[in-house]
Amino acid sequence: AQSVTQLGSHVSVSEGALVLLRCNYSSSVPPYLFWYVQYPNQGLQLLLKYTSAATLVKGINGFEAEFKKSETSFHLTKPSAHMSDAAEYFCAVGGATNKLIFGTGTLLAVQP
Amino acid sequence: GAVVSQHPSWVICKSGTSVKIECRSLDFQATTMFWYRQFPKQSLMLMATSNEGSKATYEQGVEKDKFLINHASLTLSTLTVTSAHPEDSSFYICSARVPPRASRHEQFFGPGTRLTVL
Repeated sequence: AQSVTQLGSHVSVSEGALVLLRCNYSSSVPPYLFWYVQYPNQGLQLLLKYTSAATLVKGINGFEAEFKKSETSFHLTKPSAHMSDAAEYFCAVGGATNKLIFGTGTLLAVQP
Repeated sequence: GAVVSQHPSWVICKSGTSVKIECRSLDFQATTMFWYRQFPKQSLMLMATSNEGSKATYEQGVEKDKFLINHASLTLSTLTVTSAHPEDSSFYICSARVPPRASRHEQFFGPGTRLTVL
């Protein structure tokens, strides 16, 4: 079975500050891991993905994530937050089937 | 590449009517599409997996007679909410799996359809 836990349903940072969104996974097979972003009333946009190549993955909009097998984590970071980063972020895991299992999401607020 | 569209983007209907939502892959062929439902401030709940040319596979607890899925071509899947009721009001999102040569499990999402049943 596979599952994803996102710690912190709401995260607030100041503009220019570090963004850290946490994701821990559970998987009985080598996982494929994804981060998606969702803006209000829109679908999901892929930020980045881990597919067993490099453990440090760079994505769009300056985001990156590091796969740490020992910690079963795939945390999302960005060095400097922009106002436009305010959105809902979802971590997802795939691997055992064709399905993606999503976390409960983290709402990121960016304060001016 | 890998663009998925949905139509309509929003729909309001009366209780008891049926509503059809279309999901199209615009620049690739998708043998597998997925339908999700999202309640306000919640995560995505997978409703069913739609396979071209065969019956959809529904998740546990999803009524297949209420949520009819048809995947008649490699670029189109439809979700029909039959005899809609207010509790069916939700945000419905489809996705398509990227062709086999790309990263496995990667899905590209449509923009979603907001359904409001009065």
